[in-house]
Amino acid sequence: GIQVEQSPPDLILQEGANSTLRCNFSDSVNNLQWFHQNPWGQLINLFYIPSGTKQNGRLSATTVATERYSLLYISSSQTTDSGVYFCAVRKQDKIIFGKGTRLHILP
Amino acid sequence: NAGVTQTPKFQVLKTGQSMTLQCAQDMNHNSMYWYRQDPGMGLRLIYYSASEGTTDKGEVPNGYNVSRLNKREFSLRLESAAPSQTSVYFCASSFSGSNEQFFGPGTRLTVL
Repeated sequence: GIQVEQSPPDLILQEGANSTLRCNFSDSVNNLQWFHQNPWGQLINLFYIPSGTKQNGRLSATTVATERYSLLYISSSQTTDSGVYFCAVRKQDKIIFGKGTRLHILP
Repeated sequence: NAGVTQTPKFQVLKTGQSMTLQCAQDMNHNSMYWYRQDPGMGLRLIYYSASEGTTDKGEVPNGYNVSRLNKREFSLRLESAAPSQTSVYFCASSFSGSNEQFFGPGTRLTVL
């Protein structure tokens, strides 16, 4: 089946730093989403991005479907950005989540 | 709009007990999903319902049953709970399978 790998698995940054999170997938997909799971466990939609580039404030994402990867950029990190970032892909009726990148922003 | 709601928020069961997790959405979505999340893992799809009246197995369906009661509600039942079913359960919904999903707050289930 389709494999989804996220890197890095863990990331510790100082407040104000920028970061890039990566999601690789092993097959063509119908769609891709990025989520943020906050320290209270809530899953928050960040981007629905099967292809192309989107921006929302300090966050942006790019998916290059032909090369089977997506990137999530976080600029000027804040402590509230801490948590786990997941990408999830869908191929036909299969939905696969990556194992996530755990981000910890130090004040 | 409440979005996606789940009840209960927490539950403790003994091995062999049964229970039903409830999920409802008020976004007029057609598709609904049940996932489980185990420590250090991403979410894994248990069952989904592409539309009212249909249900299909996901990646980890064993030990679970589902009911799409109507367009708004999608329940997950554990007939005989096992410690391996200790997890956090998330419900989600979307307009269709190809659209973005919105998640409920989760149910933390412990099976002793």
